[in-house]
Amino acid sequence: EDQVTQSPEALRLQEGESSSLNCSYTVSGLRGLFWYRQDPGKGPEFLFTLYSAGEEKEKERLKATLTKKESFLHITAPKPEDSATYLCAVQARSGGYQKVTFGTGTKLQVIP
Amino acid sequence: DSGVTQTPKHLITATGQRVTLRCSPRSGDLSVYWYQQSLDQGLQFLIQYYNGEERAKGNILERFSAQQFPDLHSELNLSSLELGDSALYFCASSVVQAALYNEQFFGPGTRLTVL
Repeated sequence: EDQVTQSPEALRLQEGESSSLNCSYTVSGLRGLFWYRQDPGKGPEFLFTLYSAGEEKEKERLKATLTKKESFLHITAPKPEDSATYLCAVQARSGGYQKVTFGTGTKLQVIP
Repeated sequence: DSGVTQTPKHLITATGQRVTLRCSPRSGDLSVYWYQQSLDQGLQFLIQYYNGEERAKGNILERFSAQQFPDLHSELNLSSLELGDSALYFCASSVVQAALYNEQFFGPGTRLTVL
């Protein structure tokens, strides 16, 4: 069964204090790994798609990287507006279907 | 604004009842996904439809069913409701081409409260 584990569950950073969020996965036939941001009471907002090991993508203060077993979301010099829950999801082929599995997320709080 | 709409925004009902949640995907998106998000379980994939046909099934209970209509909007039907069905229900859409994965765009969700 496909598994996605995110760590830490919660992270509290001072404004400007860089850090990384981890997403480890166990799937067969990975088609893509995705990062989303979710604010309280709202739907997830797409950030990145990574398709193969070694791939990196950047957007403002965020950088996502992918290896064969895990992905990291690096946050450089975070600001309070970066506070949110960050979700990782993997897409894999499952019995002729394309199936998406989400992790439980890392809740990030950035303190001014 | 993702372009995905969901109605209603809030729904309060009693145990044993049946409700229907509605989703309209982004213009041009053929695929619709339904998710349940509760406090203790995170985002759980329920079911996916592509151009009217069921494409993938996740942890969807037998009491729940969904369909996608010719105009591509989708409905999620929840019946014999239990207290534990209280959650946020999200709909997402994507284009889904043959060899590529397209990111999913999520709607604002329907908050279901079962009393």
